[in-house]
Amino acid sequence: GQQLNQSPQSMFIQEGEDVSMNCTSSSIFNTWLWYKQDPGEGPVLLIALYKAGELTSNGRLTAQFGITRKDSFLNISASIPSDVGIYFCAGPGSNYKLTFGKGTLLTVNP
Amino acid sequence: DTAVSQTPKYLVTQMGNDKSIKCEQNLGHDTMYWYKQDSKKFLKIMFSYNNKELIINETVPNRFSPKSPDKAHLNLHINSLELGDSAVYFCASSHGKGGIEKLFFGSGTQLSVL
Repeated sequence: GQQLNQSPQSMFIQEGEDVSMNCTSSSIFNTWLWYKQDPGEGPVLLIALYKAGELTSNGRLTAQFGITRKDSFLNISASIPSDVGIYFCAGPGSNYKLTFGKGTLLTVNP
Repeated sequence: DTAVSQTPKYLVTQMGNDKSIKCEQNLGHDTMYWYKQDSKKFLKIMFSYNNKELIINETVPNRFSPKSPDKAHLNLHINSLELGDSAVYFCASSHGKGGIEKLFFGSGTQLSVL
């Protein structure tokens, strides 16, 4: 089955710093999705990407669909304490299944 | 007016017991899911129903049985609970059948089997 490798596994940063994380796939994806899970809650969709090379922003978040269609990147600028959580990349697997990466745990020190 | 609500939020029980988790969505979506999140936070799909029809049934023990009385509800019944069943279980829904669909998740049920 398709595998998504997300890195880094965890990040500890200071408030105000920029953050980058990425996701790579063993196969080509037609869609990349980025979700965020706040502590004690379910994941929430942040950004959806549908075209190779696409760059999409949502406030301080920017995500890119890699040209090879096997990777995607998420950047967070000027981090704030409420950015803490787990960030998951996801892509469509076979038979309607959404495959999730293993997540990047972000901690922001005020 | 929570979009996807699941109950209970916490469930602590003894090994061997049978328990159920309930899920309801008020978004008018056609598809509902159960995901399991283990202690390493890995999210893995268990089941999916589209208009009350089972469309995804991953390799899970048959002690787990989903039931969808209507397209707004998807419950999860677990028989003979084992220690390894301890995890957070998330219900989710989407408009279409999944894949590239936007998923709306509930806030999770933390199951602890003692």
